[in-house]
Parts: sequence; structure tokens; C-alpha cells
Amino acid sequence: SQTIHQWPATLVQPVGSPLSLECTVEGTSNPNLYWYRQAAGRGLQLLFYSVGIGQISSEVPQNLSASRPQDRQFILSSKKLLLSDSGFYLCAWTRGGSPLHFGNGTRLTVT
Amino acid sequence: KQEVTQIPAALSVPEGENLVLNCSFTDSAIYNLQWFRQDPGKGLTSLLLIQSSQREQTSGRLNASLDKSSGRSTLYIAASQPGDSATYLCATSMDSNYQLIWGAGTKLIIKP
Repeated sequence: SQTIHQWPATLVQPVGSPLSLECTVEGTSNPNLYWYRQAAGRGLQLLFYSVGIGQISSEVPQNLSASRPQDRQFILSSKKLLLSDSGFYLCAWTRGGSPLHFGNGTRLTVT
Repeated sequence: KQEVTQIPAALSVPEGENLVLNCSFTDSAIYNLQWFRQDPGKGLTSLLLIQSSQREQTSGRLNASLDKSSGRSTLYIAASQPGDSATYLCATSMDSNYQLIWGAGTKLIIKP
């Protein structure tokens, strides 16, 4: 069966520090991968999606970036965090018309 | 541009009741529609996926219907239980890349 791992679960970082969130999927190959952000009391915002290694599409211009160095690995990064980057970050995957499956999320607080 | 609306924003019902959550969308040319639940502080769990060619999907006490012509989907929950308390979200995809357009969700509380 397929599983998705996302870490860390919680993170507190000062303004201006770098960020790296990692997501890996097991039990499938060539999945579509997604990074979403959910701000407090707000809906889900698609940040990036990837249909293959090295293929990244950005939905929202911001100081975040994403990379897909391996087929089942998706990384969300920032060189310098802003206060507005605080939120709940969710990784998700799908393949071949399957439902979208989410990780457990990372709660990021920028102080 | 697709817009997805969920009504009501919040719903509180006694345990045991059957209930319906509504989702409407403005562009009927959807690829599929999905229903999710989200528990507080947790990720999302996929409940039901309805392809554009389908009219309904069922899983246990859950039944989701899709009427593309009217731009509506409903999630029916039978014999509600306190464990059903969560926020329920619907989302449409316009293509196979699954760039989902999300509703704001319905926060459901089932009172024991």
C-alpha cells in the first residue's frame, strides 16, 4: 500500500532563517506531488505541484521554492522566512486518477 | 474561473441524524470532484472521489452525488456519530493534473 511521510510535524523558526520541509511517498512510482498551505482559519492554497523529477509548477509567487530531486521526494524550501509564511503545510500525492492523498502536515510558526 | 462554495459553513446536529452537506461549483466542465474530511490540526483524509462521468459514490455510511449540469454535489452521512465531527471539504479538478479548487468547508459537530 502507498504511504506518504512528511516531516517535521511542527517547526518554530525565526524570521529570516531558512526552511526545508521534506515529503516522501512509498509504494508507488511517478506520482504527481503537491505542496499546499493552510493559513489559520483559511482554505487550502496550492503552492507547487510536480508531475515528474525536476518538473515544478508554481501557483503563487512568493519566497518559497520547491524541488523534486527524486521520483518520490518533494522538498519545500525558503532562504529567508517571513512572518507571513506561518501556517500548516501539507504535502499530497496522486497517480492515475486516484484520490488525492495527504500527509499529516507540518505546523510552521515563524517568530 | 471555477469557484466552489460549501453551504452551510457550520452545522451542529444530534447523534443519529442523517444529514446532507452541499457543494456547488460554477464551471460544470470538471474532471472530478472529491470530498475530504479534516480533523483539527490534522491533514486531510480523502472520503470519496467522483469522476465526471459518474453520478454517485458510496463508502459505508457516506454517499456522494454529482450533478454536473446543475453544478452541485452533496455528501450524505447516514446515522451520524460523534466521530463524524470534523470539517468536510469538497474540491473540483478541471484536469488530470489535479490542480484542485477548494470550497471553504463545512464544520460539522455531532452532539452525543
